[in-house]
Amino acid sequence: GAVVSQHPSWVICKSGTSVKIECRSLDFQATTMFWYRQFPKQSLMLMATSNEGSKATYEQGVEKDKFLINHASLTLSTLTVTSAHPEDSSFYICSASGLAGLNEQFFGPGTRLTVL
Amino acid sequence: QKEVEQDPGPLSVPEGAIVSLNCTYSNSAFQYFMWYRQYSRKGPELLMYTYSSGNKEDGRFTAQVDKSSKYISLFIRDSQPSDSATYLCAMSGGGNNRLAFGKGNQVVVIP
Repeated sequence: GAVVSQHPSWVICKSGTSVKIECRSLDFQATTMFWYRQFPKQSLMLMATSNEGSKATYEQGVEKDKFLINHASLTLSTLTVTSAHPEDSSFYICSASGLAGLNEQFFGPGTRLTVL
Repeated sequence: QKEVEQDPGPLSVPEGAIVSLNCTYSNSAFQYFMWYRQYSRKGPELLMYTYSSGNKEDGRFTAQVDKSSKYISLFIRDSQPSDSATYLCAMSGGGNNRLAFGKGNQVVVIP
């Protein structure tokens, strides 16, 4: 149980385009989903927290207009990187937690974004 | 002082050895303690989840939490080459479920 999927697993795009990443909880209802960014050989950096049906809470320094998060259902959250630039290239990982264990987070496999 | 301290130094051990990892923390509100394993270019995988102080064992893995010392440990017995990965400690508490992560320990088990 507690499987989280992400799609796509990797994406290459041109500078200035927008990219959408999907995060799905496959076998449980995720009341809260988190989006992280991870640079090589570094730990995870929390970008934002989203609760189903409400606006996401962004961490300090994360541009909400650039990283659009939608958590429309209990099994799906999306992160859209708008007008992507090379500095946005990174490994993006989502996690989800549900009613059964609010402090347990289950992570997706990650999405590697490369902006040319 | 960072909320969670984890010495990121790579750790190499021979196959069959015991791997010992630890983290310290400063926030006394933390009550939930986790260890994640992350393989290269993959998302973290939850290994152990512990509430409050005590020990928890799952197969070759043992997690220990000492809240009085603000110190948590993970032990891997009979280590295998497939255990080679980065191990991240994480914790939460104090009314929200945001995780505070350590930097991660890269472990290499040499056959």
